[in-house]
Amino acid sequence: AQKVTQAQTEISVVEKEDVTLDCVYETRDTTYYLFWYKQPPSGELVFLIRRNSFDEQNEISGRYSWNFQKSTSSFNFTITASQVVDSAVYFCALIENTGNQFYFGTGTSLTVIP
Amino acid sequence: EADIYQTPRYLVIGTGKKITLECSQTMGHDKMYWYQQDPGMELHLIHYSYGVNSTEKGDLSSESTVSRIRTEHFPLTLESARPSHTSQYLCASRPGTGYGETQYFGPGTRLLVL
Repeated sequence: AQKVTQAQTEISVVEKEDVTLDCVYETRDTTYYLFWYKQPPSGELVFLIRRNSFDEQNEISGRYSWNFQKSTSSFNFTITASQVVDSAVYFCALIENTGNQFYFGTGTSLTVIP
Repeated sequence: EADIYQTPRYLVIGTGKKITLECSQTMGHDKMYWYQQDPGMELHLIHYSYGVNSTEKGDLSSESTVSRIRTEHFPLTLESARPSHTSQYLCASRPGTGYGETQYFGPGTRLLVL
């Protein structure tokens, strides 16, 4: 079973629009960590944020914000006032406290149209 | 800033050739990973390592091998390249301490097998 689901395969928005990327996860562990990575066209994955299962506070970093809700097993990512440089594939990932493997979602390809 | 390097960055090779993709990190990380990824698609774990002389197979490992003789070095070998191996290969590392540390990714190797 897929542990991390990113249902949105592709999203296109016009520059300056807000966009939310969805991530739903599945785990039986009580301790786990969630991540978001950005993969621009150059191909390298860039770490954006990490969240542990005991910290449900939402986080904001500039135009980026993350909404972690254990009740719905979701860890959604919102970009406010999107820019062309935000165009990339975004991956959500999970690692359980009992393991060493990362479980990645299938990614959401975001295109910001100027 | 993570220091993880992959060589070559691009490789075109004929079917049946043996190839080794290099990955090195200078951060002293114990854990290292190899992923295969078609452009913009999900990541598939090939191999991972917890430390020197420790390697484990991932979901997609049957046609490749790895070694971990030194902490900083984690090469991936394809004994006989096939067109189905055409893909991007990403190496990652993370500290051995703690469970929730993020992975740091290298720039990737883009392989084309003719």
